[in-house]
Amino acid sequence: QPVLTQPSSLSASPGASASLTCTLRSGINVGPYRIYWYQQKPGSPPQYLLRYKSDSDKHQASGVPSRFSGSKDASANAGILLISGLQSEDEADYYCMTYHTTAWVFGGGTKLTVL
Amino acid sequence: EVQLVESGGGLVQPGGSLRLSCEASGFTFSDCWMTWVRQAPGKGLEWVAKIKGDGSEKDYVDSVKGRFTISRDNAKNSLFLQMNSLRAEDAAVYFCASSYFSDSSAPTGWGQGTLVTVSS
Repeated sequence: QPVLTQPSSLSASPGASASLTCTLRSGINVGPYRIYWYQQKPGSPPQYLLRYKSDSDKHQASGVPSRFSGSKDASANAGILLISGLQSEDEADYYCMTYHTTAWVFGGGTKLTVL
Repeated sequence: EVQLVESGGGLVQPGGSLRLSCEASGFTFSDCWMTWVRQAPGKGLEWVAKIKGDGSEKDYVDSVKGRFTISRDNAKNSLFLQMNSLRAEDAAVYFCASSYFSDSSAPTGWGQGTLVTVSS
């Protein structure tokens, strides 16, 4: 079972909100982990969006709109990327990442479709 | 503005070697952790290796340990990845990435990538 699991796809309407989840493997508690989020559009490299551990330990990349935000759902043992006010340009692949033992690990990515 | 330009990709036979380079500009290279991340065609991202600003710390994903070596030349603002004993599963676009965090080596700036094809 991978360390980070993301749903393979998600669809949402323009103007709506999308909640992208990144679930940690059973036995690994999300609490101590910083979860990083990246956006990747076809033919382009990933772009760092933000990281979130707690409300007192978070970072937003310069230029990333405030409608992108991070959080955690402890009951689901997951990190969350919330995108509000969806726009067509938000259609992309989104990857979460964290540092586990001695390695950076990525989730499998979620393809977000805005339609 | 962070600029990272990879080179050195190409077609190599299984068992062969390749050396990737990444030329950095727009930031103080020697202060930053640097990372290689790869992406197989149509697949997700996989972290490959990282190296501290002064080169004193390095680490690798298990699947490349003993075959790949990450290094840097701070005088030339350059990052390298020596890849030996290449396998079909190493075929991917390899991205060079920098980190602007002082408390993390997480990639923040990315190059456009260089394609490595492993095939006979």
